[in-house]
Amino acid sequence: GQQLNQSPQSMFIQEGEDVSMNCTSSSIFNTWLWYKQEPGEGPVLLIALYKAGELTSNGRLTAQFGITRKDSFLNISASIPSDVGIYFCAGQLLRDSNYQLIWGAGTKLIIKP
Amino acid sequence: DAGITQSPRHKVTETGTPVTLRCHQTENHRYMYWYRQDPGHGLRLIHYSYGVKDTDKGEVSDGYSVSRSKTEDFLLTLESATSSQTSVYFCAISGARVEQFFGPGTRLTVL
Repeated sequence: GQQLNQSPQSMFIQEGEDVSMNCTSSSIFNTWLWYKQEPGEGPVLLIALYKAGELTSNGRLTAQFGITRKDSFLNISASIPSDVGIYFCAGQLLRDSNYQLIWGAGTKLIIKP
Repeated sequence: DAGITQSPRHKVTETGTPVTLRCHQTENHRYMYWYRQDPGHGLRLIHYSYGVKDTDKGEVSDGYSVSRSKTEDFLLTLESATSSQTSVYFCAISGARVEQFFGPGTRLTVL
């Protein structure tokens, strides 16, 4: 089936550092979504991207839809403790007249004490 | 926040027993989804619905069935629960087939 490669799998960072994560695939996507999940809760939508090259911000978060439409990037600037959680990318593609949402395995963000 | 509730939030059951999980939405969204989440696998789609009585299989549908008799309710049934179905189950809804909004999850343990 379709696959999304999300990296890194986990990150240990110091408070105040910038964070970067990405998702790549061999498939072309129509839409990219970025979610955050905190322990014991469902994923929450952070940013949605709809066209190649699009750059969208949500506070300290910035995401980009790759120009090839096969990848997307999420950056978090000046990380704070509440950024801890698991970040998921999801890409939507049209296949056999049906839209499919393909999920990355997640990037776990951990703040060093 | 999207109005999505899941019940029960936690359940412990024994192998071989039937289990039904409920997802209820107040957003009148057309599409509803059931996912399971396991360490190392991320979110995997079990079944989805594109309207009342209209459902289809996802990538991990074996051992699960669904029903949608009303727009607001989507039920997931494990006919005979197995230990491999121990997982966290999430319901999601979508009105535009793009952004999906998730419920709080149900933690199911099959002993």
